[in-house]
Amino acid sequence: GAGVSQTPSNKVTEKGKYVELRCDPISGHTALYWYRQSLGQGPEFLIYFQGTGAADDSGLPNDRFFAVRPEGSVSTLKIQRTERGDSAVYLCAFPRASGRVGGELFFGEGSRLTVL
Amino acid sequence: GIQVEQSPPDLILQEGANSTLRCNFSDSVNNLQWFHQNPWGQLINLFYIPSGTKQNGRLSATTVATERYSLLYISSSQTTDSGVYFCAPGGSGGYQKVTFGIGTKLQVIP
Repeated sequence: GAGVSQTPSNKVTEKGKYVELRCDPISGHTALYWYRQSLGQGPEFLIYFQGTGAADDSGLPNDRFFAVRPEGSVSTLKIQRTERGDSAVYLCAFPRASGRVGGELFFGEGSRLTVL
Repeated sequence: GIQVEQSPPDLILQEGANSTLRCNFSDSVNNLQWFHQNPWGQLINLFYIPSGTKQNGRLSATTVATERYSLLYISSSQTTDSGVYFCAPGGSGGYQKVTFGIGTKLQVIP
């Protein structure tokens, strides 16, 4: 959706396993955001990248969560020692205009993570 | 952080009816968006409306930033309007870190 590819679309894993979720935005977008949406809730902010660096990671719930964007395009959200409470849809988002850090946000279709 | 309250939490409409959804937020913001999340989970942008009024077909939105609220109007509702409507204010930090409310779940029945 909206020019961003998120993979996998669905991931089922067992408690304690390691998971990687990938966001591949259309080229030229400096800013990239990760959100997650638990069942029945609105999306909540996790982390914001400006280029390759994490400008704001205040939403990461704990140190099991980590995200990278080494070349300033594709981003990977990494979750270690998954817990059942990590089950959610993980959403990637970017601003409307390439290169801008503000303005309207567009969201991908998300990666649905289920931890058994 | 910003606190966002949306009302009503649930709404059932007969097809063709009109409705108003409200969003109150606790702090000054530089932007505000309304989204519709369809039954497949996709977040669809409806309005980017930090202030003023905008209209798009049967939908319109008004934000009164000084009084920290925004309204979304749906006229002549259709079954395809069903889903969850989210208000997301933000941007006070100079970038687009928006905060979502819990949403209004709308069901339009034929």
